[in-house]
Amino acid sequence: QVQLVQSGAEVKKPGASVKVSCKVSGYTLTELSIQWVRQAPGKGLEWVGGSDPEDDAPITAQRFQGRVTMTEETSTETAFMELGGLKSDDTAVYFCTTDVHYPVAFDIWGQGTMVIVSS
Amino acid sequence: EIVMTQSPATLSVSPGETATLSCRASQTVGTNLAWYQQRPGQVPRLLIYGASNRAPGVPARFSGSGSGTDFSLTVSNLQSEDLADYYCQQYNDWPPFTFGGGTKVEIK
Repeated sequence: QVQLVQSGAEVKKPGASVKVSCKVSGYTLTELSIQWVRQAPGKGLEWVGGSDPEDDAPITAQRFQGRVTMTEETSTETAFMELGGLKSDDTAVYFCTTDVHYPVAFDIWGQGTMVIVSS
Repeated sequence: EIVMTQSPATLSVSPGETATLSCRASQTVGTNLAWYQQRPGQVPRLLIYGASNRAPGVPARFSGSGSGTDFSLTVSNLQSEDLADYYCQQYNDWPPFTFGGGTKVEIK
């Protein structure tokens, strides 16, 4: 049974960077394409970036290009998302998610990581 | 980028009645569409994939339909536990994966 367990909440100042982790269990990271989705308070879901399900190349939403870096550490089965140049409107819950049983439909989700950007 | 538009933004339905949620894509996505349920304070949950296939454990009163650009999610015999936000998402053409803005289902 696949599980994604994320790191804890973060409070950052504007301009700083945050690195969120997503530890995989039940599968190996190389078998999965991890995506990152965020949700600002009271708002909808927004895809940030991840691994292309077809070739595992990194893919990023245009609005985050140059600010987000996604990495994977296979030795610990952990995926990371680092977002730099934080602004107050980056305050959101960040989820990692993946498609295990149904191609490209995200059926497994981490519990979410709250990132607060405040001076 | 494929834009997903959901309507209505809020739907108020009495228990036992039927809720019909709509999702429209700005260009065809075939049947590469998923629906998610997000109860208050919870993580999104996959309900429907391939436009009309229920994920395991999803009650039969949830049904999805449509293809191309127009889709719907129908919740029959609405229960109090169905109070949630519902999102559609296309995975026909990426990047980016795109979600609709969501429909909030309220229980009258």
